[in-house]
Amino acid sequence: NAGVTQTPKFQVLKTGQSMTLQCAQDMNHNSMYWYRQDPGMGLRLIYYSASEGTTDKGEVPNGYNVSRLNKREFSLRLESAAPSQTSVYFCASSDMGPPDSPLHFGNGTRLTVT
Amino acid sequence: AQSVTQLGSHVSVSEGALVLLRCNYSSSVPPYLFWYVQYPNQGLQLLLKYTTGATLVKGINGFEAEFKKSETSFHLTKPSAHMSDAAEYFCAVSSFSGGYNKLIFGAGTRLAVHP
Repeated sequence: NAGVTQTPKFQVLKTGQSMTLQCAQDMNHNSMYWYRQDPGMGLRLIYYSASEGTTDKGEVPNGYNVSRLNKREFSLRLESAAPSQTSVYFCASSDMGPPDSPLHFGNGTRLTVT
Repeated sequence: AQSVTQLGSHVSVSEGALVLLRCNYSSSVPPYLFWYVQYPNQGLQLLLKYTTGATLVKGINGFEAEFKKSETSFHLTKPSAHMSDAAEYFCAVSSFSGGYNKLIFGAGTRLAVHP
């Protein structure tokens, strides 16, 4: 079972460059999320999507854009990368419904901005 | 607004010793609480969750957690640590609004297990 697949696994960018992080899930989940993980800060929500065609800002949306391409895919775009965006990025998905539905995470994308 | 505080960013125990990872939460509504585990170079995996009902929750790999409303705590325990338990552990509270299940995570506790 693939679950949640993220690409690429690693990326190095120069300041000002752009890139898109890809995420796909095969569990037929309605909700998808992008988190960033920084040392000592846990995971912080960047954007989420309850269903196709809907996206909403999380805690730290500045500098990012997202696209919910279809039910399976949710991409995160950095238009002009900054060193402060050096982080590990995680995509996750869950059923929409009861609040106790767990999140399923991908293995992350490690991004370095120089 | 919901929030989570994990006490101790690093915990070190001997193999076979008790594991205790502390988590306190703040929530204006009855909370839904989770513990996730992250092994090196992997994403997070659900360890256990508390929604309603029994306050002692059992999870995978011998871990359990007890919801104590009076103390606003949800500490994670395991009676006997194994080397394979070395990982980072995150406590989280569910923020459910607008039909969306969003998790608010604590900063994490890295567990080291030594022989």
